[in-house]
Amino acid sequence: QKEVEQNSGPLSVPEGAIASLNCTYSDRGSQSFFWYRQYSGKSPELIMSIYSNGDKEDGRFTAQLNKASQYVSLLIRDSQPSDSATYLCAVKLSSASKIIFGSGTRLSIRP
Amino acid sequence: DTEVTQTPKHLVMGMTNKKSLKCEQHMGHRAMYWYKQKAKKPPELMFVYSYEKLSINESVPSRFSPECPNSSLLNLHLHALQPEDSALYLCASSQEVMAGNTEQFFGPGTRLTVL
Repeated sequence: QKEVEQNSGPLSVPEGAIASLNCTYSDRGSQSFFWYRQYSGKSPELIMSIYSNGDKEDGRFTAQLNKASQYVSLLIRDSQPSDSATYLCAVKLSSASKIIFGSGTRLSIRP
Repeated sequence: DTEVTQTPKHLVMGMTNKKSLKCEQHMGHRAMYWYKQKAKKPPELMFVYSYEKLSINESVPSRFSPECPNSSLLNLHLHALQPEDSALYLCASSQEVMAGNTEQFFGPGTRLTVL
């Protein structure tokens, strides 16, 4: 089992709709979770971090965390073509000073 | 200022060359990282520095040699690389390594091509 798993996509969502990106992780002791957006040819950009169970909202983005189910998700409301990118889920391991990335979900917003 | 800078943006080198990648941050962060990213893959951790000391080496070949001259600077010295080392090399920094909320901020990366 991979430490951090994401559906690779591509996930195609119509403009204006809600995009839902999911991530599961195997380290039950993990406490810190991050979502990065990466445009093609660019570096990852941190868009959300979440540390407690529940929802965290920032503009059009909502991160959701369920530690019991070892599940973290990212919702993007009112999706725009500029949201088309690869979204990387990252989890800080409880036993090491590093974060582990999922393989990323490619999101495409169609006009 | 949440900026990490990296130079050069692009680098082409032969297998016998020696070159260095540079990274700088002015956020007062005490942890700095080197990652390697191949196309359509996630970033892969290479090295972690905490308070200017190497704390993690992910079994990286010795042809890659990191250096942390001070808390703001991180270098990656390259020597006798192979074509399969061609990748995007990313530098990142965070406030601390062990603290729970260790948000990492990435630089723009150096696109390395080894001929």
